Amino acid sequence: DAGVTQSPTHLIKTRGQQVTLRCSPKSGHDTVSWYQQALGQGPQFIFQYYEEEERQRGNFPDRFSGHQFPNYSSELNVNALLLGDSALYLCASSPRAPGNSPLHFGNGTRLTVT
Amino acid sequence: AQRVTQPEKLLSVFKGAPVELKCNYSYSGSPELFWYVQYSRQRLQLLLRHISRESIKGFTADLNKGETSFHLKKPFAQEEDSAMYYCALSGSQAGTYKYIFGTGTRLKVLA
Repeated sequence: DAGVTQSPTHLIKTRGQQVTLRCSPKSGHDTVSWYQQALGQGPQFIFQYYEEEERQRGNFPDRFSGHQFPNYSSELNVNALLLGDSALYLCASSPRAPGNSPLHFGNGTRLTVT
Repeated sequence: AQRVTQPEKLLSVFKGAPVELKCNYSYSGSPELFWYVQYSRQRLQLLLRHISRESIKGFTADLNKGETSFHLKKPFAQEEDSAMYYCALSGSQAGTYKYIFGTGTRLKVLA
């Protein structure tokens, strides 16, 4: 089991561009969450996808959007990139279960906006 | 406001010494508390959760609702415990799926 996989591992973009990050959940997991981790900070919740719909959203602008596919994989899209969007983006998957199941994280995508 | 506070950015202890990583939280409901750990060059992973009430790698954590704390403890630190530790909170009520993480504490266990 490869666990949660994310691609790409690193990305450099210019301010104003758009970016798409990808995530495949751990086998058997159907829920995908995205987190942003700025340098020296803990992960911050962006949103969670379940059954191909955004189930909950954190305090992030509409420039951040996502999608979940029928195979449970997910994409995070960020439009009109700002310098402040530079961060490590973490994908986490969890199985459908009552309550909050522990998260299984990927290695992250490091986004640098210049 | 919902918040998790880890007051120490860095904690250095000698091998064999006791360890306590502090975590305080603010939450208006009934929270679920977790400790996640990230070893060097590895992904963030669950260490333990309060509802399991178990010891993992010698670590324990007790939820103190009166003090709103969930400190992580180990009686005798090992060099392999050196890592980044994050305390996290999740709500237990329906419709709450996000985790709130603290800023993390780097534990260095010195030989």
